[in-house]
Amino acid sequence: GDSVTQMEGPVTLSEEACLTINCTYTATGYPSLFWYVQYPGEGLQLLLKATKADDKGSNKGFEATYRKETTSFHLEKGSVQVSDSAVYFCALSDMIKAAGNKLTFGGGTRVLVKP
Amino acid sequence: DAGVTQSPTHLIKTRGQHVTLRCSPISGHKSVSWYQQVLGQGPQFIFQYYEKEERGRGNFPDRFSARQFPNYSSELNVNALLLGDSALYLCASSLGTGKETQYFGPGTRLLVL
Repeated sequence: GDSVTQMEGPVTLSEEACLTINCTYTATGYPSLFWYVQYPGEGLQLLLKATKADDKGSNKGFEATYRKETTSFHLEKGSVQVSDSAVYFCALSDMIKAAGNKLTFGGGTRVLVKP
Repeated sequence: DAGVTQSPTHLIKTRGQHVTLRCSPISGHKSVSWYQQVLGQGPQFIFQYYEKEERGRGNFPDRFSARQFPNYSSELNVNALLLGDSALYLCASSLGTGKETQYFGPGTRLLVL
């Protein structure tokens, strides 16, 4: 079945440092790929997405490129801020039955940015 | 426009009880999905409903059930609660059931004592 593996945290960084969170996936079809972010006590917010190979998703300074050859979707940001402290989830969406698009999530990576 | 709303925000139950969680999707969205997020883990898919029909079910026991109403809102029911059902229950809505983006609500935090 489908699965997503992402690096375990916590990842602790200083403000303005570079962030990379690795994510690899296994899927039988041609999934769409997502990064969601979860702030303390809240639900998940979509950060960015890519729907086909070589697509690059970007938002709020974060980027990720859909790499089919390496089945990866690594999240990067060149200069983090304290407000980027959160848990980040990599996820894939593939079809179920004849219609349906459940999300399969990785375990999440906690990021802590210190001033 | 309002996002996905869920009620209640928090709930405390005892083992063996029953619970009903509610979700209202974004206006115009016809699909609702439910996920369980145990503390420290990623969300796990429970159900997806589209046009009032179940379109997918995750690996959860029959104690879990759901339904979708004509206005596309949804309820998740859990019977005979176990301690292990303690989790954040997330509802997500999307336009349909293709590869559209799913948008999440704030969740209902359930504690089973």
